[in-house]
Amino acid sequence: GAGVSQSPSNKVTEKGKDVELRCDPISGHTALYWYRQSLGQGLEFLIYFQGNSAPDKSGLPSDRFSAERTGGSVSTLTIQRTQQEDSAVYLCASSPSLQRPETQYFGPGTRLLVL
Amino acid sequence: QKEVEQNSGPLSVPEGAIASLNCTYSDRGSQSFFWYRQYSGKSPELIMFIYSNGDKEDGRFTAQLNKASQYVSLLIRDSQPSDSATYLCAVKRYGTASKLTFGTGTRLQVTL
Repeated sequence: GAGVSQSPSNKVTEKGKDVELRCDPISGHTALYWYRQSLGQGLEFLIYFQGNSAPDKSGLPSDRFSAERTGGSVSTLTIQRTQQEDSAVYLCASSPSLQRPETQYFGPGTRLLVL
Repeated sequence: QKEVEQNSGPLSVPEGAIASLNCTYSDRGSQSFFWYRQYSGKSPELIMFIYSNGDKEDGRFTAQLNKASQYVSLLIRDSQPSDSATYLCAVKRYGTASKLTFGTGTRLQVTL
């Protein structure tokens, strides 16, 4: 079946603009995760959802970052007033259950470049 | 000290040799451990996971965990050029649902 999809695949924006990144999880996966990977860095956890709820928002770098999930499916990560340090690959993953982290499947990512 | 540390490499091994990738972690509350492979420009894919001390084998891959020494390793036997990638170590702390903390990865180069 279809895997995790993300859009756009690439995004170039100007400093100070807002951007929205979208994630479509695998059908039936109740858990959804957002990570960020900066050049030469490991994956940095941002936020996860169980259904539409986000119990742990501690990974969001600043209050410019927000995320929501509706209908237990699609999630949107919004970055307001983008800064150059926000340039990174934003990866989304989904899994059937929060209790089974080994079942996280990653999407192809959105490459964000802030000029 | 980073929570999960890996040597960035590159680790260069000849085709057919054993590649040994190491990872140390600082949080003794870490419960489960994962190895992901990431090809350049691609997303990570899970190779192995291990929860208990000792070895876990899957085909050419063996994960080794030593909780007392706080390290986890990945051995790749009969290394192939297609194994050339960055290998990310990740840990999950007890009670943190599926929140994974990743290392920065080790780049492996398998030479002909």
